[in-house]
Amino acid sequence: QQQVRQSPQSLTVWEGETAILNCSYEDSTFDYFPWYWQFPRESPALLIAIRPVSNKKEDGRFTIFFNKREKKLSLHITDSQPGDSATYFCAASASSGSWQLIFGSGTQLTVMP
Amino acid sequence: GPKVLQIPSHQIIDMGQMVTLNCDPVSNHLYFYWYKQILGQQMEFLVNFYNGKVMEKSKLFKDQFSVERPDGSYFTLKIQPTALEDSAVYFCASSLGRTGNQDTQYFGPGTRLLVL
Repeated sequence: QQQVRQSPQSLTVWEGETAILNCSYEDSTFDYFPWYWQFPRESPALLIAIRPVSNKKEDGRFTIFFNKREKKLSLHITDSQPGDSATYFCAASASSGSWQLIFGSGTQLTVMP
Repeated sequence: GPKVLQIPSHQIIDMGQMVTLNCDPVSNHLYFYWYKQILGQQMEFLVNFYNGKVMEKSKLFKDQFSVERPDGSYFTLKIQPTALEDSAVYFCASSLGRTGNQDTQYFGPGTRLLVL
C-alpha cells in the first residue's frame, strides 16, 4: 500500500504556463512534506518543504498548497521554464515516529519552449 | 548547499561478490540514511544510522546488508553476497537532526550498482 501518492505520472506544459503537481498521503501523523526534484542522473535536491502549521508555502515561482483535512497537497510552478523539466518527488515523514522519508512515485514534468 | 559525496559513482560486479558503497556525509550531520532507487521508480528507504547504531531499517534491508561508520570516516553500505535484484541506484543522505528545521535530508549523487 503506497502511503504517498502522486499524480499525474507525467505532465507537459508550455513555457510560461502554471504546472500543478498533486500529492496525497495516508498517515495522519505525517508532519513534514518536502518536495525534491531530480534531474536525470543527478541526486534528488530539496526544492521546497511545508509543515502543517501553515497551509501555504511560497518560494519564488514554487508554491505548496496544503489541505490537512483531505490529506492532500499540491505544488504549483508558475511561469514554468524549460529548466524546470525534471522529476518531482513528494515525500513525507513524521517527526515523532519513523526516521524515514516516504517518497511518492514522482511526476515527470516537461516544459516545452 | 551542503554536499554529500558518494564513491564510487558506478560499480559493476558479479552476482555473489561483496560490494561496499561509500558515503561522505555533510561534515556536522549526525543522522545518515541509505535509499534504493530502481530505474524509473521512487526512492525507497533502506536504513537509518545514528550514534553508531542502526535506528530503523525497512524490509528491503536484507540480512546480506550491513552499515557502519567506523571512527567518523565514510558511512558505508556493504552487500555480501550480492544478488541480481540488488541492481539499483543507492543514495546516501544525511541530516543534522530529526526535528524542527534540522531534519532536512541532503542526498548524494548516488552509486549505480549493476550486478551481473
